[in-house]
Amino acid sequence: SQQGEEDPQALSIQEGENATMNCSYKTSINNLQWYRQNSGRGLVHLILIRSNEREKHSGRLRVTLDTSKKSSSLLITASRAADTASYFCATAGTTSGTYKYIFGTGTRLKVLA
Amino acid sequence: DGGITQSPKYLFRKEGQNVTLSCEQNLNHDAMYWYRQDPGQGLRLIYYSQIVNDFQKGDIAEGYSVSREKKESFPLTVTSAQKNPTAFYLCASSMSSPVQPQHFGDGTRLSIL
Repeated sequence: SQQGEEDPQALSIQEGENATMNCSYKTSINNLQWYRQNSGRGLVHLILIRSNEREKHSGRLRVTLDTSKKSSSLLITASRAADTASYFCATAGTTSGTYKYIFGTGTRLKVLA
Repeated sequence: DGGITQSPKYLFRKEGQNVTLSCEQNLNHDAMYWYRQDPGQGLRLIYYSQIVNDFQKGDIAEGYSVSREKKESFPLTVTSAQKNPTAFYLCASSMSSPVQPQHFGDGTRLSIL
């Protein structure tokens, strides 16, 4: 398996602060996606950034991608208690003509009210 | 509303027993996936299917089997050959393009009795 690595593994911040989490990967990619998972639930797609893009915004989310370093970061601004969840990056690429997604190990974010 | 439905939410397996996890989607997606998630870990791909009547092994297929007889359905059987089946199982679907995000069900938690 070639899972990505996320850093930090866990993050605890106060409400209103910004949260930054990083993802590193190993293979060439078509795009990179970030997902959120609340405890005991499935993953929910947050944002997708293509390999030819460097930065993307969606509401309070900002994602950057550096393909030369094979890394990405997710910034959540003005965090809220409801942002408490695990966040995963996933890289999408083709292998032998089929599409595969490789997920990172996740960052557990806790936002304290 | 369109989405993915996994059932049951909780499942218990006895020694030597095969169990089947259900996954149904009404999103008209061509591709479907099964992942295994262990506590505090990322997702590992078990099997995936890009089209009806065709599927491929993922990274940890041993001890599992699948079928894809209908576009909407992708059941996963955990066989008695899987010696450590206790985990959270997630089903996902997507359009057959790496630029599209995956949609996830809410998972099935499997435990051994």
